[in-house]
Amino acid sequence: TQLLEQSPQFLSIQEGENLTVYCNSSSVFSSLQWYRQEPGEGPVLLVTVVTGGEVKKLKRLTFQFGDARKDSSLHITAAQPGDTGLYLCAGDNQGAQKLVFGQGTRLTINP
Amino acid sequence: GAGVSQSPRYKVAKRGQDVALRCDPISGHVSLFWYQQALGQGPEFLTYFQNEAQLDKSGLPSDRFFAERPEGSVSTLKIQRTQQEDSAVYLCASSQLTVSYEQYFGPGTRLTVT
Repeated sequence: TQLLEQSPQFLSIQEGENLTVYCNSSSVFSSLQWYRQEPGEGPVLLVTVVTGGEVKKLKRLTFQFGDARKDSSLHITAAQPGDTGLYLCAGDNQGAQKLVFGQGTRLTINP
Repeated sequence: GAGVSQSPRYKVAKRGQDVALRCDPISGHVSLFWYQQALGQGPEFLTYFQNEAQLDKSGLPSDRFFAERPEGSVSTLKIQRTQQEDSAVYLCASSQLTVSYEQYFGPGTRLTVT
């Protein structure tokens, strides 16, 4: 069974601070996605990374895929209360169709 | 439609009842997935369809769970003789491609078994 482990599981910081969330596995993934989920809603796709070492930016969010395609990180600069939510990483097993999800990082940004 | 829709959004069932959860994927999306999300956890894969063919049902937890997509569009997840451990949010996702790593999720159905 492939596992994705996210850390930290919970993070509460003040508005304006920077933070990094990690997603690690012992398995290689063809691609890795980051989703954000609000209470009562389904996950919303933020980004997909497919190439080892790839870096993608989405406004104040920076996503990186590890060189070996086993891990990823999400860095948020100058966090805002609107960034509050559950952040999920998910990877697809090579040749399979299903996504394997991490357990999520619940992020709270305090005004 | 603009996105994946699911109905009902909330369902309360007494233990032993059968339930049916519906998913309307994004129009034209070939692939459809069902996931189960327990409170405080990430989603876990249940089953996958490509058009009307169910290609992977390895995540279905027991033979009480059954899914279908007869015309390659709308899908129904049926749970027979519900148990308390079935309480969870059931998420449906669809993807345009047969290589389905970018999946778009519906809002989910929260099932509570009492």
